[in-house]
Amino acid sequence: DSGVTQTPKHLITATGQRVTLRCSPRSGDLSVYWYQQSLDQGLQFLIQYYNGEERAKGNILERFSAQQFPDLHSELNLSSLELGDSALYFCASSGQGQGANYGYTFGSGTRLTVV
Amino acid sequence: TQLLEQSPQFLSIQEGENLTVYCNSSSVFSSLQWYRQEPGEGPVLLVTVVTGGEVKKLKRLTFQFGDARKDSSLHITAAQPGDTGLYLCAGGDSGYSTLTFGKGTMLLVSP
Repeated sequence: DSGVTQTPKHLITATGQRVTLRCSPRSGDLSVYWYQQSLDQGLQFLIQYYNGEERAKGNILERFSAQQFPDLHSELNLSSLELGDSALYFCASSGQGQGANYGYTFGSGTRLTVV
Repeated sequence: TQLLEQSPQFLSIQEGENLTVYCNSSSVFSSLQWYRQEPGEGPVLLVTVVTGGEVKKLKRLTFQFGDARKDSSLHITAAQPGDTGLYLCAGGDSGYSTLTFGKGTMLLVSP
């Protein structure tokens, strides 16, 4: 157990639907990162939150949004889902916003399948 | 956009063999990290290197950061089936706390 909790582990939904992925960071970590992993693109950075505020944005589609709540858990909302959104979605956390030099702790991921 | 290229993409070897995988970029990174990911799990941090030319050892794994901080290598001595997994390198930019990941090297070690 890495200390980062992601739910649900698996999600199957239809095109056009909306889903919410949830992440609880490791205790004491203030930064949360969301990544999308697919076979052809690898791990792609989506968005980072630090202590409730958006810190950095990567290749996140406009149909996707995220937020970090006062208790530091984060949610990633995916809407108007397309077949190409099927992927593994990972949440990671780090302490004090220093992930680039000190490493991330990843959750086990949510496998999203859009049918 | 900073890109990290890893090679080879896939490596299948027998238990006891040695191997080296590579991570290359045209960009300079403030730090370089290696992760191992097993099926159904998230990546797990193995090591962080921050100084050009730095070498770190973790049991049978040896990590090296290039002098110019643009590349890195991971050498495994006497590979074991437990080493099987996807090895990812990730580069950090001193200006941000986000990491850029390579696509990984899938290693399969057969008994």
